[in-house]
Amino acid sequence: NAGVTQTPKFRILKIGQSMTLQCTQDMNHNYMYWYRQDPGMGLKLIYYSVGAGITDKGEVPNGYNVSRSTTEDFPLRLELAAPSQTSVYFCASRPPSQEANQPQHFGDGTRLSIL
Amino acid sequence: GDSVTQMEGPVTLSEEAFLTINCTYTATGYPSLFWYVQYPGEGLQLLLKATKADDKGSNKGFEATYRKETTSFHLEKGSVQVSDSAVYFCALKAGANNLFFGTGTRLTVIP
Repeated sequence: NAGVTQTPKFRILKIGQSMTLQCTQDMNHNYMYWYRQDPGMGLKLIYYSVGAGITDKGEVPNGYNVSRSTTEDFPLRLELAAPSQTSVYFCASRPPSQEANQPQHFGDGTRLSIL
Repeated sequence: GDSVTQMEGPVTLSEEAFLTINCTYTATGYPSLFWYVQYPGEGLQLLLKATKADDKGSNKGFEATYRKETTSFHLEKGSVQVSDSAVYFCALKAGANNLFFGTGTRLTVIP
């Protein structure tokens, strides 16, 4: 199994450009998450999804959009890139379970720079 | 609100030294607590977890005990190795669908 796969690994954008960060998982996990990790900071939740067709805002959703048309894919879109969105982005997933403490599985991250 | 306060780094130790990384939390209810590790260039991996008071999570020689009375979940290892060099994150989950992460502690182990 590949687990959680993020593409691209690195990207440089100009201010005002748009792009989509891709995330796919092959573990049939219902729950998926997008985080950003700024230097010296912990991860902040941007958006999450509890299943196909359902998305919810996290702690820092402004400037981002998501969709969840399939169980496998959870793309994150930046419509108008701003320097404040320079960060490392992590996608994560976890299985459905009565035990809500199942660990999240993380992708390797996408390093995004906005210049 | 729920939050995690983690010992600031960076921490530099010699091989075979004893490691402690402090983590305290604030939460309503009864959270589950986690330690994640991030090796260079990789995503986060679960290191260990504890779901109720007095539970001890352990993995790869690392241990952490869920202390409700002191709201702490300190990470310890008796003898660190160079391969333990990474960033360690304490995290809390209190019934919602997300994790609250600490700021991370960078550990460097030198031979």
